Amino acid sequence: DTGVSQDPRHKITKRGQNVTFRCDPISEHNRLYWYRQTLGQGPEFLTYFQNEAQLEKSRLLSDRFSAERPKGSFSTLEIQRTEQGDSAMYLCASRLGQEAPDGELFFGEGSRLTVL
Amino acid sequence: KNQVEQSPQSLIILEGKNCTLQCNYTVSPFSNLRWYKQDTGRGPVSLTIMTFSENTKSNGRYTATLDADTKQSSLHITASQLSDSASYICVVSPDSWGKFQFGAGTQVVVTP
Repeated sequence: DTGVSQDPRHKITKRGQNVTFRCDPISEHNRLYWYRQTLGQGPEFLTYFQNEAQLEKSRLLSDRFSAERPKGSFSTLEIQRTEQGDSAMYLCASRLGQEAPDGELFFGEGSRLTVL
Repeated sequence: KNQVEQSPQSLIILEGKNCTLQCNYTVSPFSNLRWYKQDTGRGPVSLTIMTFSENTKSNGRYTATLDADTKQSSLHITASQLSDSASYICVVSPDSWGKFQFGAGTQVVVTP
């Protein structure tokens, strides 16, 4: 078990550029979550998948944000036309589904985005 | 308004001392409450998970309590170590499919 893996760990980009983050969950986990965290705050929910289906999106996820999980395994989070307000840590987490409602939610180490 | 409120926002304690962090929530219904430890620049790591029927749960020097009637939880750190310096986040889940509500965290600094 290699845990939840995120790539890249750090990304510095100029305003207006597009960025993409990748998350590889724990292999048997069918639920995958994306969160955004700014300094001094707890993670804020962005979206989550059960297998390849995107079941819910937060209002925080503007039309510049898109997330996919095409084969129900890894997921990508793309931010188009980045703005300085997008600077944050983007966290991915995974867990087993309803079969284990109190099961542990495992987080990756996060992808830190800095928009100049 | 955040449905999970943590206090204090931050605290400084001497190595070897104990401390208690508080979490009050208004999330309803309630499925479970979790405490996470997050080191600076890292992802959160689970410390404890409690359902409504559990009053206390320990993980080494960390002990979490839950009062589902008053919707309060606490995390007690015993004999603090320098490595306990981190943010501690309270997370409440209203149901089984995982709409987790996160607190803002309590930043703990342990000094020698």
